[in-house]
Amino acid sequence: GAVVSQHPSWVICKSGTSVKIECRSLDFQATTMFWYRQFPKQSLMLMATSNEGSKATYEQGVEKDKFLINHASLTLSTLTVTSAHPEDSSFYICSAQRNRAGPYEQYFGPGTRLTVT
Amino acid sequence: EDKVVQSPLSLVVHEGDTVTLNCSYEVTNFRSLLWYKQEKKAPTFLFMLTSSGIEKKSGRLSSILDKKELFSILNITATQTGDSAVYLCAVKRGVGSYGGSQGNLIFGKGTKLSVKP
Repeated sequence: GAVVSQHPSWVICKSGTSVKIECRSLDFQATTMFWYRQFPKQSLMLMATSNEGSKATYEQGVEKDKFLINHASLTLSTLTVTSAHPEDSSFYICSAQRNRAGPYEQYFGPGTRLTVT
Repeated sequence: EDKVVQSPLSLVVHEGDTVTLNCSYEVTNFRSLLWYKQEKKAPTFLFMLTSSGIEKKSGRLSSILDKKELFSILNITATQTGDSAVYLCAVKRGVGSYGGSQGNLIFGKGTKLSVKP
């Protein structure tokens, strides 16, 4: 159990266009999902925390008007990169947190490779 | 500022060698420490450690946490070429640490392990 999917796995778009990335928890409900970005040879950097039914919490330096997050249900969160630029090219990874009686764990999606030309 | 530091950043060994990867942290409101293995896509979960001195094992991998000295090690014995990956250490913080959501992770930069045949 605890499978998280992302769609698409790979996308190329032109500068100025918007791209939507979906993150789904397939076999559990996730009240909280996290969005990370990873540049080549660097570690994962948290972009924002998405809670179902409420506004996302963005990390310092992440533009909320550029990276729109919607957590519409307990199994789906979306990240929309608006007016994408080449510097937005990166590997975007989501994770979903499953609530348990004990310590929380996060389950990662496979990631989405975004290339902006 | 909360931080997670991994060492070494890069390591090259031969098959059969034993390796030890280090992770130290300075984090307020520590909840747990997690180890991940990242190959070409998103990280895959290895271990979660919450208590000092209790070794977690999975096959040739083992890990232990020292909450007094604020570090963890990941051991891999009898390494194989399939162990080649980036190993990420992450610390989970509790609610209210910095205003973010409960349970989000701070990642270290990772240790890139290359196992030569």
